[in-house]
Amino acid sequence: QVQLQESGPGLVKPSQTLSLTCTVSGGSISSGSYYWSWIRQPAGKGLEWIGRIYTSGSTNYNPSLKSRVTISVDTSKNQFSLKLSSVTAADTAVYYCARVVVLLWFGELLPHYFDYWGQGTLVTVSS
Amino acid sequence: QSVLTQPPSVSGAPGQRVTISCTGSSSNIGAGYDVHWYQQLPGTAPKLLIYGNSNRPSGVPDRFSGSKSGTSASLAITGLQAEDEADYYCQSYDSSLSAQEVFGGGTKLTVL
Repeated sequence: QVQLQESGPGLVKPSQTLSLTCTVSGGSISSGSYYWSWIRQPAGKGLEWIGRIYTSGSTNYNPSLKSRVTISVDTSKNQFSLKLSSVTAADTAVYYCARVVVLLWFGELLPHYFDYWGQGTLVTVSS
Repeated sequence: QSVLTQPPSVSGAPGQRVTISCTGSSSNIGAGYDVHWYQQLPGTAPKLLIYGNSNRPSGVPDRFSGSKSGTSASLAITGLQAEDEADYYCQSYDSSLSAQEVFGGGTKLTVL
């Protein structure tokens, strides 16, 4: 059974960098059948896709966050990470990591659906 | 504002049938990309409910079904139960400039 677990500081000061790690167990992050994503959810609001990474290190980011986001992967530790710089109170949210099933779409590796999610971790931006 | 549009809330009595709509555009659902549905119980992470428009993962009751037509998709829940009270989200892929996964704004299902 695949499990994902987020870890990192629950409190970050404004203007600083939010850093989270997702540890994957029960499966290899190096599998070519999946992307690995970060999603967030402010309290009482909907889900917002942040970005994804493939085992090769190739990334895609939400344009609204692209200038501040970096997602990286460490295959030796079976982990992938999120860094979000210059945070403000608007970045306060529950952050989820998730596995994304890949679909072969006209020769392209298309992200399809999120089949496994971490439990989520609340990150509060406050001084 | 979400790329995919869902009603903010729906409700139904136990045993009834409810549907939740998800409306997109020609760059996502209308482009042929699949729609997926997630159930989020209070205080928990979203859980995959329907994938590929109408497929249920193992363990999901057949009371839940999905369909897609044109630029829209629907989630139907029959034989409504109290435990179905949750938030439901649709998700697809958008091939516009952003080329990204997109979610609906979510629908709160209340079981009366």
